Amino acid sequence: GNSVTQMEGPVTLSEEAFLTINCTYTATGYPSLFWYVQYPGEGLQLLLKATKADDKGSNKGFEATYRKETTSFHLEKGSVQVSDSAVYFCALSFQAGTALIFGKGTTLSVSS
Amino acid sequence: DAGVIQSPRHEVTEMGQEVTLRCKPISGHDYLFWYRQTMMRGLELLIYFNNNVPIDDSGMPEDRFSAKMPNASFSTLKIQPSEPRDSAVYFCASSLGTLSPLHFGNGTRLTVT
Repeated sequence: GNSVTQMEGPVTLSEEAFLTINCTYTATGYPSLFWYVQYPGEGLQLLLKATKADDKGSNKGFEATYRKETTSFHLEKGSVQVSDSAVYFCALSFQAGTALIFGKGTTLSVSS
Repeated sequence: DAGVIQSPRHEVTEMGQEVTLRCKPISGHDYLFWYRQTMMRGLELLIYFNNNVPIDDSGMPEDRFSAKMPNASFSTLKIQPSEPRDSAVYFCASSLGTLSPLHFGNGTRLTVT
């Protein structure tokens, strides 16, 4: 079946460090891929998305590239800030009319 | 736009009591989703609706859980009777179609003692 696998956290970094959160997917077709972020005490919100192979989604300094050959959608940021501390979820949407499939989430903690 | 509105924000109840969680989706959105989040199991999809009709309720854990969407602007998730293992944060989300971004509410933190 369709699924999303994320690296386990927590990820602990110092401010201005480089961030990578790995995400791989299993799907029988070519899904749309998403990263959502959840700040403490809030619901999830869309961070970025990519709808086809080789697309790069970007927002707030975060980037992720849809890699069909490795079935991956890794999230990266060149210089994290304390305000980036949150839980990050990778997700896929396989076809119209079906719900998003989320990974388990990766907690990021950034210290100054 | 006020976003997805959930109430109450926190609910503490005793085992065996009925609990009702409420959600108002974003106006014009045709899909509504109920999720449950726990440390152990992460984010789980419970049920979702399209145009007020339940599409997939396979994630509803037991018959104690039920969800309704009587109109396009309101949905409820009911647990009766509640148990301590139901303690979690319950999120409602809505979207326009399923290939567009989900908009989440701030959740209801349920504690069953």
